[in-house]
Amino acid sequence: DSGVTQTPKHLITATGQRVTLRCSPRSGDLSVYWYQQSLDQGLQFLIQYYNGEERAKGNILERFSAQQFPDLHSELNLSSLELGDSALYFCASSASLANQQFFGPGTRLTVL
Amino acid sequence: EDKVVQSPLSLVVHEGDTVTLNCSYEVTNFRSLLWYKQEKKAPTFLFMLTSSGIEKKSGRLSSILDKKELFSILNITATQTGDSAVYLCAVEDAGGTSYGKLTFGQGTILTVHP
Repeated sequence: DSGVTQTPKHLITATGQRVTLRCSPRSGDLSVYWYQQSLDQGLQFLIQYYNGEERAKGNILERFSAQQFPDLHSELNLSSLELGDSALYFCASSASLANQQFFGPGTRLTVL
Repeated sequence: EDKVVQSPLSLVVHEGDTVTLNCSYEVTNFRSLLWYKQEKKAPTFLFMLTSSGIEKKSGRLSSILDKKELFSILNITATQTGDSAVYLCAVEDAGGTSYGKLTFGQGTILTVHP
C-alpha cells in the first residue's frame, strides 16, 4: 500500500457524460500527478500539481481538467466522454517536485 | 519530445533463469531514470538511477545506467514466478515547467513459468 488513495475503483458510464476522479496523496506529499494507462498508449503523463498550483502538463485533452485543493487532494474531471477515454487512471504523489513518485491503485474508467 | 523505448516487449522464461530488460531513452533535460514493477495494480518503485556506471541492487534485482549511450538495463537473477509482471522504465525531466514529469516506456511483460 503506497499511501495514495483513489476513488472510485471502477466507474462505468456512457459517452457524452462527465465524471470526477479523486485522489488523496500520501500524508505530507505536496505534489500530485495524474496518468492515463490504456492498452495501446501505455502509461501517459497528464498533469502535475504542486501545493495547489499546476506545474506541468502532458498530453491532456481539453475535455479533461484537474485541480488540487488546499487540503492537497486532487480531482481529475473528464467531460464529453468518448469510448477512447476508457482506461486506467492513476494518481501519484511525491514529497516535492521531483522526488520518488508513489502510485495509487488507480480508477478503471469504462465508457460505453 | 521525451521518448523511452523498452525491449523486449515480452519475455517468457522458466524459474531460475536470469533475465535482462533494456531501456533506451531520449530526453532533453535528464534528471533520472526509474524502474517500476506493475502487477495487476499500481506501479511500484524499484530503482532510481541518476549517475552512470553505478549499479543499484535490491536482492535479485539490479540496474545500471549509461548516460553516454542513453540506456539502462534491469537484471533479475534466479527468477521466481512472483517476478511475473510488467516492468516499466521511465525518464524524469529536469527542465523548467516539466520538472519532475515522467515519460514511460511501453513496458516489458515478463512471464516466469514454474
